Amino acid sequence: DAMVIQNPRYQVTQFGKPVTLSCSQTLNHNVMYWYQQKSSQAPKLLFHYYDKDFNNEADTPDNFQSRRPNTSFCFLDIRSPGLGDAAMYLCATSRTVSGANVLTFGAGSRLTVL
Amino acid sequence: AQSVTQPDIHITVSEGASLELRCNYSYGATPYLFWYVQSPGQGLQLLLKYFSGDTLVQGIKGFEAEFKRSQSSFNLRKPSVHWSDAAEYFCAVGAVKAAGNKLTFGGGTRVLVKP
Repeated sequence: DAMVIQNPRYQVTQFGKPVTLSCSQTLNHNVMYWYQQKSSQAPKLLFHYYDKDFNNEADTPDNFQSRRPNTSFCFLDIRSPGLGDAAMYLCATSRTVSGANVLTFGAGSRLTVL
Repeated sequence: AQSVTQPDIHITVSEGASLELRCNYSYGATPYLFWYVQSPGQGLQLLLKYFSGDTLVQGIKGFEAEFKRSQSSFNLRKPSVHWSDAAEYFCAVGAVKAAGNKLTFGGGTRVLVKP
């Protein structure tokens, strides 16, 4: 089945220690998104790639970076995690950027910061 | 800018009873509307969507939603709830920005199902 796979599912890091979360997709979708979801809150869009074009949300902290080396993979890098960055990170894909497109989500990566 | 409000943070319902989750949106044009469900520790799964046409849309798992333009609402319903429906439900509105698909989520409604 075509799907969105996130690794690792659970990541524990220390305050200030860089962490990378990965996302891969077999849907051949053009757009890949990263959302941050804190406990009992709605997912919040951090940024997305449309093909190789990177689009950052205005309120995404500089601490968060992303890479998309090819169509299938996208990475979320947190350079210096703080306690406030503990959250579930959701990767999603869509075929295009039309508002009518359905997003397909991965199962998420839960980040704990000690 | 679009926004979505889900007035109920928690709802508890007995198994077999009906369920209705409220969603109100604010958007300056015809919205694209979605309901997603999130089981504990999992990603989001699409239940149903409304783009145009018939205002009553059917989704997976026996869910349906009705778009009411006059009320700016897109409420989700299920006639008879199963224990497996315990999850968090998110209403979302989609719009096209210059730089991409801005999907805005409501705050979510957590559904608990009593035996």
